Parts: sequence; structure tokens; C-alpha cells
Amino acid sequence: RKEVEQDPGPFNVPEGATVAFNCTYSNSASQSFFWYRQDCRKEPKLLMSVYSSGNEDGRFTAQLNRASQYISLLIRDSKLSDSATYLCVVNNAGGFKTIFGAGTRLFVKA
Amino acid sequence: NAGVTQTPKFRILKIGQSMTLQCTQDMNHNYMYWYRQDPGMGLKLIYYSVGAGITDKGEVPNGYNVSRSTTEDFPLRLELAAPSQTSVYFCAAKEEGDSDTQYFGPGTRLTVL
Repeated sequence: RKEVEQDPGPFNVPEGATVAFNCTYSNSASQSFFWYRQDCRKEPKLLMSVYSSGNEDGRFTAQLNRASQYISLLIRDSKLSDSATYLCVVNNAGGFKTIFGAGTRLFVKA
Repeated sequence: NAGVTQTPKFRILKIGQSMTLQCTQDMNHNYMYWYRQDPGMGLKLIYYSVGAGITDKGEVPNGYNVSRSTTEDFPLRLELAAPSQTSVYFCAAKEEGDSDTQYFGPGTRLTVL
């Protein structure tokens, strides 16, 4: 079983749609969690951290369920510029080792 | 403040050649990483370092070597290039601590023919 698993997609959605991505992780000792965004042929960049209480940044909401070892990302009112690959990322205890999921591709169409 | 820089941007190697991918950061971060990303796939950790003089293997270290003589530099060495090493290589740097993000360089696209 992979340490971090994501639905690879692609998700094809119209502008204005709400889309949700899921991610599961296998190491119950994992300490911190993130969503990164990667545009085509570019480096990954942090989108947002994920906290147990849930957190929101504009149109983006991230949730963490430690009991189920599950992370989610919700994008509301999708924009064309949201088209990218979204990577689920987990840090081990100590924070020095990071595991990246394979990513979920999103295409937002006009 | 340039962040993380990588050179070269592109390189074509012949089988059996060697090369060094350069990575430099100006953020004074202790943790540095090398990843490879094959087409349509996620990032796989090759090597990482938690400080000058300290390196450790990641998930896919075979065929690679690293050194960390300074905080700023973390070069990745390919000794005998093979077609399986055709990939995009990303270097990243991070502060210590669980909650800190990784900052990536722009990547090096390597093709081995």
C-alpha cells in the first residue's frame, strides 16, 4: 500500500463548479499535512496547510480526519486558473521526511 | 532573495556519462531534498539532508550520490547515466519543524539517450 494515496483523476469540471479531492495516508504517526499545487512543467508550490480543526483560504477548504487517516480539499466556484495537479503531502514526526501523493489532475473548462 | 536555484535547466546525456545537478538555497534552511518526477507521476525522494555534513537515502537512491558541505549547496551526482534516470529533478529546502513548507527550485529536465 502506498504511504499517501490520491485519486489521479482527471477531474473535468465547468467554471463555477465545486470539486472535492480526497487523500489517505498509511502512517498513523504522521504529524503535519499539506496540499500543494503543481502547474504543468513547473515546481510544486504550497497551497495550504491542513489542520485537524479544518481551515479555509478563500475558495479553498481543507479538512483532516486523523482517526480515518484522511485528508480532503474542497474548491468552490472553480476558476479556469485552478486547472493544475493537486498534491497531498504528509510529513513524518520530526518533519524532515515528506511523502508526496501522486497528485490529482483538475481541468476547469469555460 | 532567490530562494532555491537549480542548474542546469535542461540536459541531455548519453548512457554511461556522469553529471552533477546543482542546487543552492539562500534561505539558510537546514533541510534539503532531492526528488525526481517521472511523466504523469508523483515526486519520489532520492536523498535528503538535515544539515551540513549529514545526508540520508530516500525512496530511490540507487544510481545517485549527494554531498552537503555547506548549508547552501546540495549537489546531486549521477555517476553512470541510464535511460531509467530520464526525469525531472527537483531540489527543495525547508526550515526545521513539522509545520514548515518545502520551497522548490524550478527543476532540471534530464534526458538520457
